[in-house]
Amino acid sequence: GAVVSQHPSWVICKSGTSVKIECRSLDFQATTMFWYRQFPKQSLMLMATSNEGSKATYEQGVEKDKFLINHASLTLSTLTVTSAHPEDSSFYICSARGLAGGFQSYEQYFGPGTRLTVT
Amino acid sequence: KQEVTQIPAALSVPEGENLVLNCSFTDSAIYNLQWFRQDPGKGLTSLLLIQSSQREQTSGRLNASLDKSSGRSTLYIAASQPGDSATYLCAVYYINFGNEKLTFGTGTRLTIIP
Repeated sequence: GAVVSQHPSWVICKSGTSVKIECRSLDFQATTMFWYRQFPKQSLMLMATSNEGSKATYEQGVEKDKFLINHASLTLSTLTVTSAHPEDSSFYICSARGLAGGFQSYEQYFGPGTRLTVT
Repeated sequence: KQEVTQIPAALSVPEGENLVLNCSFTDSAIYNLQWFRQDPGKGLTSLLLIQSSQREQTSGRLNASLDKSSGRSTLYIAASQPGDSATYLCAVYYINFGNEKLTFGTGTRLTIIP
């Protein structure tokens, strides 16, 4: 149980284009989803938190107009990198937490990540 | 602001040895601590999660302990194997201005030498 998927697993795009990454909870309702970014040889840094049906809360220094997050359903959140540039190249990982056995679970379950390369 | 540090940053040990990875955090008001492994270019694999009311968790050759008062956790790996080679991350769950946060440590890159 508690499986989270991401699509695509990797993507290469040209500078100036937009890229959408999907994060899905496959077997539970994700009331909250989180988006992280990981640069090479660094740890994960939280970008934003999104609750289903609400606007995302962005961490300091993360541009909300550049990284558009939509959490329209209890099983899907999307991250759109708009007008991507080479410095946006990174590993993007989502996580989700939600209801387990009728109770809110605080554990986050992580997707496999999406590697974005902007040329 | 919660800061999570892992020491050492890198560790190489011969196969078969027992080893300990360390994690320290600055704010002891956490409610969970979790250890993950990450293989190169891959996502996270959850190893152990310790709730704030617990002092340790065990799974197979892995044992994780938590001392909230001192802001420390250790991950003990017994009888290490080459397949244990990976980067190990600890992460702490806490509340910051009413928002749930999960802050990751800097990671320890472990290499088991056959």
